Amino acid sequence: AQSVTQLDSQVPVFEEAPVELRCNYSSSVSVYLFWYVQYPNQGLQLLLKYLSGSTLVESINGFEAEFNKSQTSFHLRKPSVHISDTAEYFCAVCGLEGAQKLVFGQGTRLTINP
Amino acid sequence: GAVVSQHPSWVICKSGTSVKIECRSLDFQATTMFWYRQFPKQSLMLMATSNEGSKATYEQGVEKDKFLINHASLTLSTLTVTSAHPEDSSFYICSARQGARNEQFFGPGTRLTVL
Repeated sequence: AQSVTQLDSQVPVFEEAPVELRCNYSSSVSVYLFWYVQYPNQGLQLLLKYLSGSTLVESINGFEAEFNKSQTSFHLRKPSVHISDTAEYFCAVCGLEGAQKLVFGQGTRLTINP
Repeated sequence: GAVVSQHPSWVICKSGTSVKIECRSLDFQATTMFWYRQFPKQSLMLMATSNEGSKATYEQGVEKDKFLINHASLTLSTLTVTSAHPEDSSFYICSARQGARNEQFFGPGTRLTVL
């Protein structure tokens, strides 16, 4: 079984400042890792994913996440945030085998202040 | 590509009635669909996994007789909340996966309010 911990429930930052949203996971098997973003009253949109290969993955809107196997982490970062980045961010993990069910973290609400 | 729709997007019903929510994969065949429930300001909790043509697999604590899931075709899964009560009010989100692909594509969600 897998579990995911997002250490911060809320992260307020000023516009154009850097941000890091933390995610740690626990699993007895190899996993895939995901970050999803959810805007109010909407479903989830995939932000980026780590499946294999390079441990640093990037999204098209400037976010990046680095898979650190030794620290079992997959923190999300952006060097300069915009007001439009205000949303709820979920880290998720699924095992490589079996039903491949996604297990979500508790979510981090990112609030960008002008 | 990989678009998933849900209908309705918002439904309000009286206590005791049943509500059906549809989840459709619009441009791909979804061999597996997942149903999640999300309470306000909380994370998504998996309710059940459904594979086309077979019975759904429910997570522990989810009543299968209350949340009926049908996955009759490769593009449609339905969730029926039977005899809904106010505590069933929630945001229901489905996702779909194609074959052995490792990515799930999420629908926009359905907000259910039971009066």
